[in-house]
Amino acid sequence: GQNIDQPTEMTATEGAIVQINCTYQTSGFNGLFWYQQHAGEAPTFLSYNVLDGLEEKGRFSSFLSRSKGYSYLLLKELQMKDSASYLCVPMTTDSWGKLQFGAGTQVVVTP
Amino acid sequence: DTEVTQTPKHLVMGMTNKKSLKCEQHMGHRAMYWYKQKAKKPPELMFVYSYEKLSINESVPSRFSPECPNSSLLNLHLHALQPEDSALYLCASSQDISGYTDTQYFGPGTRLTVL
Repeated sequence: GQNIDQPTEMTATEGAIVQINCTYQTSGFNGLFWYQQHAGEAPTFLSYNVLDGLEEKGRFSSFLSRSKGYSYLLLKELQMKDSASYLCVPMTTDSWGKLQFGAGTQVVVTP
Repeated sequence: DTEVTQTPKHLVMGMTNKKSLKCEQHMGHRAMYWYKQKAKKPPELMFVYSYEKLSINESVPSRFSPECPNSSLLNLHLHALQPEDSALYLCASSQDISGYTDTQYFGPGTRLTVL
């Protein structure tokens, strides 16, 4: 199994930056996904990290440290539409095909 | 194009009804998935098809019956459901089941209500 720890909720104002941290404990680690999910909608793929370092994609960046079992998702220039749940999903060689979603972090963007 | 489509968008059914949910993708993906999601909970995996064969069944009750008629289509047949089966049913697909190609793309879901 795997242990995923991320904050339950974060609040930030429009235009600000928010960093969502995720720590995990797994065996046979094989990459980590971040998904975004708006209430009542399907999850949307944001990023996949398998090597250490930062991956930047527009306003969103994702960082991974395999040795520390740590990842973060950085959201810059926050917009109201970024209010959503953000799900950190580590993959392991034991879980091919299985996305084991944790509870996620609810980000609330205020004006 | 990373589009997965699902029909219907909404479904209301009685406990004695038989209905089917449909999912389609034209990305050439060879793995397809069914998830169930209750309100304020993360999605839970139900079934995985790989190359049109059922590869994972997460101990789902037999009143849910998946079917993969071809590489683009995935169905979920429903029979004798219970009110607690009311949920958002999500279909997803991925190129394959191995590492990066495991990136799953989700359809918009079917909102199911069982009366």
